[in-house]
Amino acid sequence: DTAVSQTPKYLVTQMGNDKSIKCEQNLGHDTMYWYKQDSKKFLKIMFSYNNKELIINETVPNRFSPKSPDKAHLNLHINSLELGDSAVYFCASSPGPGTRPFFGQGTRLTVV
Amino acid sequence: EDQVTQSPEALRLQEGESSSLNCSYTVSGLRGLFWYRQDPGKGPEFLFTLYSAGEEKEKERLKATLTKKESFLHITAPKPEDSATYLCAVQAAGSARQLTFGSGTQLTVLP
Repeated sequence: DTAVSQTPKYLVTQMGNDKSIKCEQNLGHDTMYWYKQDSKKFLKIMFSYNNKELIINETVPNRFSPKSPDKAHLNLHINSLELGDSAVYFCASSPGPGTRPFFGQGTRLTVV
Repeated sequence: EDQVTQSPEALRLQEGESSSLNCSYTVSGLRGLFWYRQDPGKGPEFLFTLYSAGEEKEKERLKATLTKKESFLHITAPKPEDSATYLCAVQAAGSARQLTFGSGTQLTVLP
């Protein structure tokens, strides 16, 4: 019954590796997001897709590449991981752009 | 640039001790102000949306109010299960319309 699910929940990896986080929503929403929450708890939007089209792309290193194969999925691939990438990454979805997001459980990424 | 400042950063209350959390904001035209609750290891869970100054919304022991510069989340007679981080976010009017979040208030209610 999970509305927005992301995998994995925890990810520990070495610097320089490439990793992916997957996200799926079963709410029938058109818009999906990736947010990053740093150690101070600030949640910052990274990307937003509406109907598989990128509509928001904040100032994020191009090592981060989102991919939306369909409306229900938005994956995040990160190349050449750096220590500063350690954070909790949240996937979210909403009925449309500008409507309130529903969040997944988060993926805690630790780069060592 | 939109800004959200929440205070205090952390708050410890005894069970039954009412208090308020503050969310101050600057935004070029407010479309909506959101309150979320976040439990450890979980994603934020929606509580309220407020749209205009003077608006109030209630849910169980929580009441959110809004002025032109800030919002308050009042907690009446809290219980230990109210312990969580409470996040405030603003949404500006305009084409981008993404939410700008504050850093939250970590509330601990002691039995």
